[in-house]
Amino acid sequence: QSALTQPRSVSGSPGQSVTISCTGTSSDVGAYNLVSWFQQYPGKVPKLIIYGVDERPSGIPDRFSGSKSGNTASLTISGLQAEDEADYYCCSYAGNYIHVVFGGGTKLTVL
Amino acid sequence: QLQLQESGPGLVKPSETLSLTCTVSGGSININEYYWAWIRQPPGKGLEWIGTVYYTGSTYYNPSLKSRLTMSVDSSKNQFSLRLGFVTAADTAVYYCAGHTPTIRMIDSWGQGTLVTVSS
Repeated sequence: QSALTQPRSVSGSPGQSVTISCTGTSSDVGAYNLVSWFQQYPGKVPKLIIYGVDERPSGIPDRFSGSKSGNTASLTISGLQAEDEADYYCCSYAGNYIHVVFGGGTKLTVL
Repeated sequence: QLQLQESGPGLVKPSETLSLTCTVSGGSININEYYWAWIRQPPGKGLEWIGTVYYTGSTYYNPSLKSRLTMSVDSSKNQFSLRLGFVTAADTAVYYCAGHTPTIRMIDSWGQGTLVTVSS
C-alpha cells in the first residue's frame, strides 16, 4: 500500500480535461509545498512534469497544471491528447525521517 | 545535462546482497545542493524511494529498508552505489538512480533503470 493515494485509473476524450488526485496526510502533502508529478510510458523512465506543487520544468506544455488543497494535491491535464495516455505518479517530501513518499500511480486512458 | 547510468548484476539469489552502481557523467557528483537517490519499481507496480546520498556521504534511507541498506559515494569515480542485503523475491524491481534538489523538490535526472531479479 502506497503512502499517497491516487485513483487507479482515469479517462477522458481528446480535448477534454482530466484531474488526478493525490491524497496524503498533514505530515507530507499537507505540510510542504513539495509535491511533484511524473509521467511514465510503459517500459520508459519517469519524466518530471510538475514540481513544487504547481511549477513546470522547461519544455512541459502548459496543458499540465498542478494544485494543492490541504492534504490533497491534484494534476490537471487540459486539452487531452492521445500522447497523454500514460501512468502518472505523485511524490511528496515527508520530513526528515520518512523523507519521500510516492503515490501508487494512475493510469490515464484517452478514449 | 547530467547523465546517469546504472550497472550491476541482473540476477541475485535470495538472502544475498544486491549491489548496484550509478555512474554520473556530464558533471561532477560533488554538486552543492544536489542529491543522489535510488528509486525502484517492481514489475507492474508503482515507484518506491529507496534512499538518498549526498556527496559528503550523508545518507537518508527509507525506514522500511534501512536495516538492510547501505548507500555511498565514490567521488574519484563520479559514482554512487547501493547495497541491499538479505534480498527476497519482493526486492525484484527495476532500479533507477536519480538526482534531485534538496527536499526532493525536483527529481530531474534519471538513469535508464536496470532490472534486478531475485531468484535462485
